Amino acid sequence: GENVEQHPSTLSVQEGDSAVIKCTYSDSASNYFPWYKQELGKGPQLIIDIRSNVGEKKDQRIAVTLNKTAKHFSLHITETQPEDSAVYFCAASIMSQFYFGTGTSLTVIP
Amino acid sequence: DAGVIQSPRHEVTEMGQEVTLRCKPISGHDYLFWYRQTMMRGLELLIYFNNNVPIDDSGMPEDRFSAKMPNASFSTLKIQPSEPRDSAVYFCASSPGQFNTEAFFGQGTRLTVV
Repeated sequence: GENVEQHPSTLSVQEGDSAVIKCTYSDSASNYFPWYKQELGKGPQLIIDIRSNVGEKKDQRIAVTLNKTAKHFSLHITETQPEDSAVYFCAASIMSQFYFGTGTSLTVIP
Repeated sequence: DAGVIQSPRHEVTEMGQEVTLRCKPISGHDYLFWYRQTMMRGLELLIYFNNNVPIDDSGMPEDRFSAKMPNASFSTLKIQPSEPRDSAVYFCASSPGQFNTEAFFGQGTRLTVV
């Protein structure tokens, strides 16, 4: 089955700096890559997603890139704010089944 | 829509007792997923349903775990008998399932088995 690896497991940045989280996947049949943000005591919520026919997608301060050849995808958060502090999960999807990375705990230091 | 609704939010039970977790998916969603989240293993898929039919239960840890979806608006995850190592947060998620759209998660049930 699909295997998704995510790095780093923890990340601390100063407010205003950028944060980058990277994921790799193993199954070339994966064709949908969502990113979820999980705040304490809550369920994961989608923040951005990308499909395999697109290389990059941006939504305000958040962007995601996908390299299908290398089976890499990354989340970029610019101008980080304290409210960006949370755990972020990447996922790869095949046939509507989701495989999650192990999560990155992001701390934005004011 | 109110989103995916899970109950209870918290459950504390003694080892050996039966535990039933409940989920109401978003109306019209064809897929329902049960996940378990722990610090050690992250988000693990336990089982998922398509149109109320279990498709893949290979993630169910052992025979003590069972899941049902009697209709499109309700699913249960049962653990019998429960053990301390079952302590985790259990999430239910649903998805329209078309063209790989997102999965919507509930708030989770925090289970503690003592």
